[in-house]
Amino acid sequence: SAVISQKPSRDICQRGTSLTIQCQVDSQVTMMFWYRQQPGQSLTLIATANQGSEATYESGFVIDKFPISRPNLTFSTLTVSNMSPEDSSIYLCSVSGGQQARELFFGEGSRLTVL
Amino acid sequence: GQQLNQSPQSMFIQEGEDVSMNCTSSSIFNTWLWYKQDPGEGPVLLIALYKAGELTSNGRLTAQFGITRKDSFLNISASIPSDVGIYFCAGRPGFGNEKLTFGTGTRLTIIP
Repeated sequence: SAVISQKPSRDICQRGTSLTIQCQVDSQVTMMFWYRQQPGQSLTLIATANQGSEATYESGFVIDKFPISRPNLTFSTLTVSNMSPEDSSIYLCSVSGGQQARELFFGEGSRLTVL
Repeated sequence: GQQLNQSPQSMFIQEGEDVSMNCTSSSIFNTWLWYKQDPGEGPVLLIALYKAGELTSNGRLTAQFGITRKDSFLNISASIPSDVGIYFCAGRPGFGNEKLTFGTGTRLTIIP
């Protein structure tokens, strides 16, 4: 499976600010996925990041709030804009792999706390 | 939309006990994945299942793809302290790499 590195691993942010999370993969991948995990909850897909095209957002998530960049096949960023305490979550980067690319592998996550 | 109901929500067991948890879907899934998440970490893939009826082991862990394709089971034998964490099932209806649906999680605690 790919090695997926995320930065920052955690941060404490002020309300109204924005933070960009970076995700680096050790191999080229077609699609990268960004998930949110709110405290005590399961994982929710935010968007799929494709290289060379705009990200595809899931219902309830918009580009203005969660802009995504995918400049090449090994890197992506997710920005959480104009943060509020409700944005306090773990944000996870993931990539497909394994048998017929049907498995999903995660980075270690970025835990954001918004005050 | 599709939902995955995972049970139990939490388990409190003693070291050495066996553990069973399951995941049920309202519709047919053709891929089932089981993950473990430690505090402060991302989920780690434990077992992947691709065929109805399939039984797959990974050390002390065994997972099964239900014959109806609407459920999956994870068993842990002879639990040890490092088994503590949250276990998530995940599934997708198709055979490709479309969106995964995640279960609600089972939190495993080992009582000393």
